[in-house]
Amino acid sequence: EADIYQTPRYLVIGTGKKITLECSQTMGHDKMYWYQQDPGMELHLIHYSYGVNSTEKGDLSSESTVSRIRTEHFPLTLESARPSHTSQYLCASSESWGLAGVGQFFGPGTRLTVL
Amino acid sequence: SQKIEQNSEALNIQEGKTATLTCNYTNYSPAYLQWYRQDPGRGPVFLLLIRENEKEKRKERLKVTFDTTLKQSLFHITASQPADSATYLCALNNQGGKLIFGQGTELSVKP
Repeated sequence: EADIYQTPRYLVIGTGKKITLECSQTMGHDKMYWYQQDPGMELHLIHYSYGVNSTEKGDLSSESTVSRIRTEHFPLTLESARPSHTSQYLCASSESWGLAGVGQFFGPGTRLTVL
Repeated sequence: SQKIEQNSEALNIQEGKTATLTCNYTNYSPAYLQWYRQDPGRGPVFLLLIRENEKEKRKERLKVTFDTTLKQSLFHITASQPADSATYLCALNNQGGKLIFGQGTELSVKP
């Protein structure tokens, strides 16, 4: 079944820890994205990828890093978590930039809390 | 920079009525505009895309209009149901081809 998965769904961690948020999609999409969303606020693009070995920073500056070694996998890493990183992180994928008319597919998100 | 404004106040309507949500944008002329639905604690779900050369797009009970002169899109849900209660997000493509999102409007449909 075509889908996009994120793990963990919830993560509570102490300051200074290294974390990796996982994102995988089974649709074979070339384009993948990471967004950050605070409660009641808009989504902000922090990373995106055109395809394997291609990654770019988004419009919102982020201390996180991403990698794209396989088409289906787009993990996000924070080397040293801080309370300011507390947020909801959403992963998405798409077949094109949007002109195909199908939009972006989103995962369920990871709610990160850094104490 | 590009800015998207959606009704910040929640919209409360009675079941069966038509809900109308507004999306205004400034400082850009997007090639297309998208609408998403987001439920609490979940990722957004794509609903409709409308291109700059299209005035209106329909899908079942949903209708989207796009007025590039007014820089505005309207999103309508006809014969609304309590299950339509959610936050609805407007998104447009920026000059890099990626999406920028509005803050969303919360819709509550009462039985």
